[in-house]
Amino acid sequence: ELKVEQNPLFLSMQEGKNYTIYCNYSTTSDRLYWYRQDPGKSLESLFVLLSNGAVKQEGRLMASLDTKARLSTLHITAAVHDLSATYFCAVGHANTGNQFYFGTGTSLTVIP
Amino acid sequence: NAGVTQTPKFQVLKTGQSMTLQCAQDMNHNSMYWYRQDPGMGLRLIYYSASEGTTDKGEVPNGYNVSRLNKREFSLRLESAAPSQTSVYFCASREYLGNQPQHFGDGTRLSIL
Repeated sequence: ELKVEQNPLFLSMQEGKNYTIYCNYSTTSDRLYWYRQDPGKSLESLFVLLSNGAVKQEGRLMASLDTKARLSTLHITAAVHDLSATYFCAVGHANTGNQFYFGTGTSLTVIP
Repeated sequence: NAGVTQTPKFQVLKTGQSMTLQCAQDMNHNSMYWYRQDPGMGLRLIYYSASEGTTDKGEVPNGYNVSRLNKREFSLRLESAAPSQTSVYFCASREYLGNQPQHFGDGTRLSIL
């Protein structure tokens, strides 16, 4: 079974600061996803990372993938309050029968 | 665009009662999923259906059954609800082939007393 660990679980940061969320997974994967969830809401897709060294950026968020280290990062640049949410990574592989394994999530609070 | 629609949005049950959660998608996706979300545990896969006519167990299938009624609809049934099944349930869909992300419904908040 594929295990996915995220850290930190909780993150409180000031507006304007930078921080990184980490997602480690236990076995080979050929696809990694980042999702955002606002409180009481559904999950929204942010990024899809498919190859070693892949980097995707949108606004103040940048995601990267290192398949050799089995690590993905979600970097937040100059945080703003609107980024407050819970962020999940999810990992899958064609060999797992189209299943996806989610990390525990990182609850981000951006303080003015 | 409706996307993935789940009903009901909220439900309170008594222990031992049965209930079916409904999910429908209008994106012509082949694969559909049921997850539960509990605090500090992320999303855990209950059952999934890679394509119409197939269903498979996920990480936490005990106490649940599913039916892939057609390509659009995938239901989750609790035959005899237990307090441990109190959770938020999400349905998702995606194309079977390729690397597209999952599309999620708004969730069903289920409390079992």
